Amino acid sequence: EIMMTQSPATLSVSPGERATLSCRASQSVNTRLAWYQQKPGQAPRLLIYETSTRATGIPARFSGSGSGSGTEFTLTISSLQSEDFAVYYCQQYHIWPLPFGGGTKVEIK
Amino acid sequence: QVQLLESGPGLVKPSETLSLTCTVSGDSISSGHDFWGWIRQPPGKGLEWIGSIYYSGSTHYSLSLESRVTIDLDTPRNQFSLRLTSVTAADTAVYYCARRAIIVGSSGHVIDIWGRGTLVTVSS
Repeated sequence: EIMMTQSPATLSVSPGERATLSCRASQSVNTRLAWYQQKPGQAPRLLIYETSTRATGIPARFSGSGSGSGTEFTLTISSLQSEDFAVYYCQQYHIWPLPFGGGTKVEIK
Repeated sequence: QVQLLESGPGLVKPSETLSLTCTVSGDSISSGHDFWGWIRQPPGKGLEWIGSIYYSGSTHYSLSLESRVTIDLDTPRNQFSLRLTSVTAADTAVYYCARRAIIVGSSGHVIDIWGRGTLVTVSS
């Protein structure tokens, strides 16, 4: 089973600053990596899929990238807005089963 | 617009079976394009993928839950269900149903639609 590890667990950022979140897979998932945003009391929302493609309606300040190895991925929020403070999860959809990472909470500094 | 809605008991006794239904509108679960599945989230914790089912009935489950979980389709009602046997307090969570679809630019099925979630508490 592929293990997904996210870091850091918590990221403290001031509004307007850049946030960089990491996700590592225990083996290659090719480009099949998605990111989800979850706010308190809400269901998760798809942000990024196929490593770097933004979902419909997602602002351009959100971007995803991968190292090319299929194991290291990054979500970048270029200039944090108040509505971006939330928990972010990565998930691979390359090989069954399909675990999520443990999440990164982005909080106001 | 595709919508998913979870329903079922909010309280289940330990050792009993948790049963939930997801009603799909705006898409057909028998269309042959999508996977349908369940994810859960214990209070204050992260997301845990439970399993998925394809229109053909083929299933995939979490390795940690596969001995206790069953996901089924009810195509006439356009619903799919989750059964989790021998529950304990550790199964207390918000349970989400979700659709996995191939969307523009994806090489595989991505969870693109989520239900609102339903809290299930395991307690006597």
